[in-house]
Amino acid sequence: AQKITQTQPGMFVQEKEAVTLDCTYDTSDPSYGLFWYKQPSSGEMIFLIYQGSYDQQNATEGRYSLNFQKARKSANLVISASQLGDSAMYFCAMRLRGAGAQKLVFGQGTRLTINP
Amino acid sequence: DGGITQSPKYLFRKEGQNVTLSCEQNLNHDAMYWYRQDPGQGLRLIYYSQIVNDFQKGDIAEGYSVSREKKESFPLTVTSAQKNPTAFYLCASSIIGNRAFFGQGTRLTVV
Repeated sequence: AQKITQTQPGMFVQEKEAVTLDCTYDTSDPSYGLFWYKQPSSGEMIFLIYQGSYDQQNATEGRYSLNFQKARKSANLVISASQLGDSAMYFCAMRLRGAGAQKLVFGQGTRLTINP
Repeated sequence: DGGITQSPKYLFRKEGQNVTLSCEQNLNHDAMYWYRQDPGQGLRLIYYSQIVNDFQKGDIAEGYSVSREKKESFPLTVTSAQKNPTAFYLCASSIIGNRAFFGQGTRLTVV
């Protein structure tokens, strides 16, 4: 089965601390891509970071980094020095081959709350 | 400005009615997607398309239909066969293999 699993429904973190959001995936396809998106209460989806299955190095984008462990099939998001504005839902997603086209599937999400 | 436009932002449907949600993009993306999101839940894939006049069912296609007559447009019809259509609907597009760009969403409520 091809699926994405986020096991943390909610997380609470103190401002300025680092936080790790977990994501595991399952696919037999050797070529895939992993994404993280942020969804504030407004509902918009904000792209954060991308990791390709053949990328040798972990992706980084500013305060965001992706801890990619291919053998464990995990792609955890690390947010350094958290800010109040980081409070939102976070979704892990995987791009993989569907029936005749590539498709993008999402995990259930983690609600992150940053406390002052 | 390039982007994805979903309309309307809010939509109310009477039971037994079909309604169509609009999704237009001017990013010249080949791939387009429709997702459904229930409160506090993740995004579930309804339909996706990689080229004009071709589309595939996602995980929850029952009660929905789509068309892809133009590259820029991927409308979603919620039919009367969808028994619980109240949800937030998100449309996305991407260059094949790249990240997806999302519209602002349509909130559908059955009244």
